[in-house]
Order: sequence, then structure tokens, then C-alpha cells
Amino acid sequence: GQNIDQPTEMTATEGAIVQINCTYQTSGFNGLFWYQQHAGEAPTFLSYNVLDGLEEKGRFSSFLSRSKGYSYLLLKELQMKDSASYLCAVSFNDYKLSFGAGTTVTVRA
Amino acid sequence: DTEVTQTPKHLVMGMTNKKSLKCEQHMGHRAMYWYKQKAKKPPELMFVYSYEKLSINESVPSRFSPECPNSSLLNLHLHALQPEDSALYLCASSTRQAREQYFGPGTRLTVT
Repeated sequence: GQNIDQPTEMTATEGAIVQINCTYQTSGFNGLFWYQQHAGEAPTFLSYNVLDGLEEKGRFSSFLSRSKGYSYLLLKELQMKDSASYLCAVSFNDYKLSFGAGTTVTVRA
Repeated sequence: DTEVTQTPKHLVMGMTNKKSLKCEQHMGHRAMYWYKQKAKKPPELMFVYSYEKLSINESVPSRFSPECPNSSLLNLHLHALQPEDSALYLCASSTRQAREQYFGPGTRLTVT
């Protein structure tokens, strides 16, 4: 099954840290991806996790626990341009990418 | 270079028209995808091509017809669409299925 759950909205202040959680059904798991999507634009690839642990890329980090069916995307030193929708997507054994509904992050000054 | 290009950017068509959306990538990716995205919703997979062969069709109505002329190009032929087909149509590619996908800017389609 693909039930991919993430919060609908999060708000944070410029310079702060925000953590977006994502849970999914573990059966058939093949990899987890995070995408950023600004309004009216295409999704942009942020990170890929297939093994347990933390992957760091500049201000963004992504964590995966396969046994718990859990991932998070950590956004540090928030900037106004980070206001966007963040999509958690999981690849299962059928090789299709299943997207969560997305988390809208609003960064306030 | 992680660029996927799509044309046109915007398309308005009547329900009796025939039009085509085009997608191109020169990253040597062997998997290409069509997605449909409605406002405030995540992308919905329509079709997957792997090594130029259709590998997944997500029960898409026949008024949408995909074509993969070669490893760099992907087309979506549209005919007799309905107003509810109005959406952002996204093309994506990846080195192979189950790896990170890179999206094109999309075609904003309006069916009148």
C-alpha cells in the first residue's frame, strides 16, 4: 500500500528550523524522495534516501528509518524563498512514484 | 545538466481539437514519465516509458495517447478532451525507474 502521510501546513520564522515528517507503509519500499514545488512551477528534486540514516545537502537534510516507515526533511536557516510545498514521494516495488499530498511551508519575516 | 524541456508552456484547446504536448531531455535518461497535476494536489502518474517502451499506463482514458519516438523525446497526443482535463501536465525523466525524477516546467492546459 502507498498511504503516504505528511502534515498539510507548517509555518516558521525566517532563520528558524522546520522539520517535515512523512510516514508510509513499509511493504515493498524501494526508496524515498523529497521534492520542493513553488506555486505554479514544477517539482524540484531535493533528496533521495534508500538506506537508513541522515543525508545532508547544505541547509536541507533528509532522514530515513525503513523499519519505522518514517522520514523527515529538515530545513535549516529558513529563508523567505523556502516558502513552497514539500512533497514526500515513495517508490515501491512496482517502480511507480507515489506522492504524499504535500506540506505547504510558509516562512514569515 | 538536469534539464527537461516541455512545449508549449500554455495551451488552450476546444473539446474537438487535436493537439500534442512535447517533452525532451538530453541527459541520457532511459525512463520518461507523464504526470497530471491539479491545483493544490500532488502529481498523478499517467504513463511511464522505460527504454522507449510503454511500461505503465495508469488506466488513462484513450483520449490521451503517449508516444516515445526515441530515447530523448516523449509526446502526449490529445484528442476530444473534456473540461475536467484542464491541468498542469508534467514530463519527467530518470536514469531508470525507481531513481530520482527530474521534472520539466510543465504545460498548462485549458480545455474549453
